[in-house]
Amino acid sequence: GESVGLHLPTLSVQEGDNSIINCAYSNSASDYFIWYKQESGKGPQFIIDIRSNMDKRQGQRVTVLLNKTVKHLSLQIAATQPGDSAVYFCAETGYTGNQFYFGTGTSLTVIP
Amino acid sequence: KAGVTQTPRYLIKTRGQQVTLSCSPISGHRSVSWYQQTPGQGLQFLFEYFSETQRNKGNFPGRFSGRQFSNSRSEMNVSTLELGDSALYLCASSQKTGRGEQFFGPGTRLTVL
Repeated sequence: GESVGLHLPTLSVQEGDNSIINCAYSNSASDYFIWYKQESGKGPQFIIDIRSNMDKRQGQRVTVLLNKTVKHLSLQIAATQPGDSAVYFCAETGYTGNQFYFGTGTSLTVIP
Repeated sequence: KAGVTQTPRYLIKTRGQQVTLSCSPISGHRSVSWYQQTPGQGLQFLFEYFSETQRNKGNFPGRFSGRQFSNSRSEMNVSTLELGDSALYLCASSQKTGRGEQFFGPGTRLTVL
């Protein structure tokens, strides 16, 4: 089956710095990817998505990069703020429907 | 617009019992997906329902089942509970099935003793 893994389980950054969270996936048929943010006691919250026909997509303070050659996904957060502290998950699917596979998450801590 | 609601928020059961969890999607959303979240395994897909039909199913035993009603509300049932079923159960709704944003509820924390 698919596996979606994360390179680092924890990441600490200074407030104002940029953060980069990485994700590797193994299913070459995956064609749609999402980054989620999960704060303590809450369900995951959609941040940004990207389809496999793109290699970069930008949102508000966030950028997702997709490298299909090495099956790698990254989330860049610009000017990281304390409110960005959370667990970040990447999710992917190559299926029809909403059958997503999630990584185990990276815990981001922003140091004021 | 109200978000995804899940009831109950917390539940304690003993091994061998069964449990039913409920999810009310955002108004107008027809797809409901269920996930199990544990510290070791992360989020694992259970199943997705769209217009009362199961669209996809993950790799969970038959003890895990679900259904969706005509108003898009969904329930999942776990029979013969095991200790390893202790987890946060999340449901997510979306307008359609397929690529697109899913909105997650706060989850139901199930503890099996």
